[in-house]
Amino acid sequence: AQSVTQLDSQVPVFEEAPVELRCNYSSSVSVYLFWYVQYPNQGLQLLLKYLSGSTLVKGINGFEAEFNKSQTSFHLRKPSVHISDTAEYFCAVSEAAGNKLTFGGGTRVLVKP
Amino acid sequence: EPEVTQTPSHQVTQMGQEVILRCVPISNHLYFYWYRQILGQKVEFLVSFYNNEISEKSEIFDDQFSVERPDGSNFTLKIRSTKLEDSAMYFCASRSSGNTIYFGEGSWLTVV
Repeated sequence: AQSVTQLDSQVPVFEEAPVELRCNYSSSVSVYLFWYVQYPNQGLQLLLKYLSGSTLVKGINGFEAEFNKSQTSFHLRKPSVHISDTAEYFCAVSEAAGNKLTFGGGTRVLVKP
Repeated sequence: EPEVTQTPSHQVTQMGQEVILRCVPISNHLYFYWYRQILGQKVEFLVSFYNNEISEKSEIFDDQFSVERPDGSNFTLKIRSTKLEDSAMYFCASRSSGNTIYFGEGSWLTVV
């Protein structure tokens, strides 16, 4: 069975500062990895995904993530956050393309002016 | 941009009542899903649906739950006799033959 751990439940960060959200997974097979964002009172929106190829993946809104197979991690980063990045971020994994997603517990990012 | 739409956005229901949550997946998508998120907890997979049948379901998806695609556009989740612990945000999702699963904005269900 696969599982996803997001080590930080909340991350406060000042505007224009960098942010990194940690995600670790466990699985006995190859995985596909995703980051979703949930803005207040909205649904889940895909930020980026890793399926294969380059381990550095760029997504929308200036976010990027790096797949590290040896550390079973897929951390999300943004070099300079905006107030509008205040949201909850979910890391998710699937064992085959398009198969069901297993989510982490989410990380709430609060960007302060 | 096409999107998954869900209705209602909020519903309050009495314990023991039946609830139907409705979803209109993206029009050319073939795979459909329901997930739920109890307040303060993880987003959990409930069920996946393909070719007019359930392809996978979780332990949560017991006999109280059912899904249906009654026509070419709607995808519904029915809870026959709601319990307090069914209170959650329910997300519908869909995908085409590709890898990306698209989610709706969710339906808040409160059972009182």
